[in-house]
Amino acid sequence: QITLKESGPTLVKPTQTLTLTCTFSGFSLSTSGVGVAWIRQPPGKALECLALIYWDDDKRYKTSLQSRLTIFKDTPKHQVVLTMTNVGPEDTATYFCAHLPTRTTGDAFDIWGQGTMVTVSS
Amino acid sequence: DIQMTQSPSTLSASVGDRVTITCRPSQSISDWMAWYQQKPGKAPRLLMYKASVLESGVPSRFSGSGSGTLFTLTISSLQPDDFATYYCQQYNSFGGGTKVEIK
Repeated sequence: QITLKESGPTLVKPTQTLTLTCTFSGFSLSTSGVGVAWIRQPPGKALECLALIYWDDDKRYKTSLQSRLTIFKDTPKHQVVLTMTNVGPEDTATYFCAHLPTRTTGDAFDIWGQGTMVTVSS
Repeated sequence: DIQMTQSPSTLSASVGDRVTITCRPSQSISDWMAWYQQKPGKAPRLLMYKASVLESGVPSRFSGSGSGTLFTLTISSLQPDDFATYYCQQYNSFGGGTKVEIK
């Protein structure tokens, strides 16, 4: 059974760096075809994919945010970490991580974490 | 990044209605389209991938079709559990969402 769980601060001050951790079980990020994504959702708004990392360490970022984002994996710890620099109020959102089995669903995320709400405020 | 235009943004319908949601990518994506259902306070749930493949456990009243730059998600007979927000997605782009409300 695949599970993912997000963790990180609930409150961050403007201009600080946000670090979020996705801890997963039931799969390995060293298995060919597997990826993990970070996706966020501001209150009342649509989903937005921020970054993806694949089993071969290929990384992709949302074009408009790529200068502020870093994604990396710790395979033995079964974790994927996302950092976002210089946060502002517009980064207030629920942040999800999701499993991407490219060999079966293509680009679709089949299992999601429960999400973690992050508020950016002074 | 590809832009995904989803319509309508809100849809009012009754139990038993046939409902169709449309998604138009800004460029051709072959059949690499997925659809999700999201209820308030919950993570999205994958309904469909590769445009028309039903995810395991999803009721057969949901169906998907399309290719290239036009895709649809259809609910053949709306059930009370189906009132939610639906999103289309391709790679790292999501549509703006369609909220299906009770009429």
